Amino acid sequence: GEDVEQSLFLSVREGDSSVINCTYTDSSSTYLYWYKQEPGAGLQLLTYIFSNMDMKQDQRLTVLLNKKDKHLSLRIADTQTGDSAIYFCAEISGGSYIPTFGRGTSLIVHP
Amino acid sequence: DSGVTQTPKHLITATGQRVTLRCSPRSGDLSVYWYQQSLDQGLQFLIQYYNGEERAKGNILERFSAQQFPDLHSELNLSSLELGDSALYFCASSVKGSSYNEQFFGPGTRLTVL
Repeated sequence: GEDVEQSLFLSVREGDSSVINCTYTDSSSTYLYWYKQEPGAGLQLLTYIFSNMDMKQDQRLTVLLNKKDKHLSLRIADTQTGDSAIYFCAEISGGSYIPTFGRGTSLIVHP
Repeated sequence: DSGVTQTPKHLITATGQRVTLRCSPRSGDLSVYWYQQSLDQGLQFLIQYYNGEERAKGNILERFSAQQFPDLHSELNLSSLELGDSALYFCASSVKGSSYNEQFFGPGTRLTVL
């Protein structure tokens, strides 16, 4: 079945860039997503990318997709303490419309 | 605020008991999804309803059941509870259910089984 893998933790200094990585196994993935979960809250869609795109930029967020390596990354420029949260990678493949989520990466931003 | 509400926020109960979690989707959303988030399993899709009918099923145990009512709110029933059922249960909603639409998540219900 589909599998989505992420590292569990990332620690950065405020003002630096953060890069959160994700790998997936299903080559028929059509949409790939990044969700953010703040403490005590549900998941919130941050951004998504279609599988026929290599890159998507949205203000401080840059998503890079390497289909050959099945690798997705989320870069947050000028990381702020308010960016501290858990970031989930998710993918949809084939005829499904239910996303498969990774376990989430806890981003800790130090002042 | 996503517009999706879930009640209760917290629930503490004993093994063997039965509980009901409630979800109200965003206004206009026809589809409701239930997820379970635990430390060992991550975020697991349980079940989806669209306009009152079951649309997709994931890793939902037979002890669990759900339904969506005519007013589109949904309930997740968990019975014969075990310690391992302790988790965060999220509800999400989207406009449609037949193709991908952004899912809006509620704040979750934290279930603790003692």
